[in-house]
Amino acid sequence: AIRMTQSPSSFSASTGDRVTITCRASQGISSYLAWYQQKPGKAPKLLIYAASTLQSGVPSRFSGSGSGTDFTLTISCLQSEDFATYYCQQYYSYPPLTFGGGTKVEIK
Amino acid sequence: QVQLVQSGAEVKKPGSSVKVSCKASGGTFSTYAISWVRQAPGQGLEWMGGIIPIFTTANYAQKFQGRVTITADKSTNTAYMELSSLRSEDTAVYYCASHGSSNWFDPWGQGTLVTVSS
Repeated sequence: AIRMTQSPSSFSASTGDRVTITCRASQGISSYLAWYQQKPGKAPKLLIYAASTLQSGVPSRFSGSGSGTDFTLTISCLQSEDFATYYCQQYYSYPPLTFGGGTKVEIK
Repeated sequence: QVQLVQSGAEVKKPGSSVKVSCKASGGTFSTYAISWVRQAPGQGLEWMGGIIPIFTTANYAQKFQGRVTITADKSTNTAYMELSSLRSEDTAVYYCASHGSSNWFDPWGQGTLVTVSS
């Protein structure tokens, strides 16, 4: 199975900051990567698929990049509603589909 | 637009089984896949398996092989996940999620808390 590693596992930031989360695959996955946002007590929400394509309705301050094994999720100007946990997921190899361990973005 | 509604919370004894349902509305149920993803308390997301109703055959994560059964009833647009031989480590929120041939998950059900306790 392809292993997905996210870093950092958590960090603190302030509203207005530019933040970047990294996801690394244990083998090349082309651009078959999705990003999700999860808030406490809620189901995950799709933000980005195909590594860089914004899901309909997702604010443009979110962006994704990368291909092969290294990917990033960037939030250009952090808003209060963006404090959440973010997960990457590879869909290059199925089954299984695998997620990163998550990155929690907390308020500084 | 597909919407997924799951059955309610369950409390089970160790060694028993649980069956969680996921009813779909909108879209064409038979042609998109439904997967089950679980999340233990304070932990990350873990894919358990998935099914495309039109094909009826499910795929499972190796970790759950032999203990999980995923089925779909096309007549009621409902997918099911049954987990047997429950242990305390199976206490988690179980989500169903829809995915097309590209295998990213959208949308998700609201989640079902399964608590395993003696």
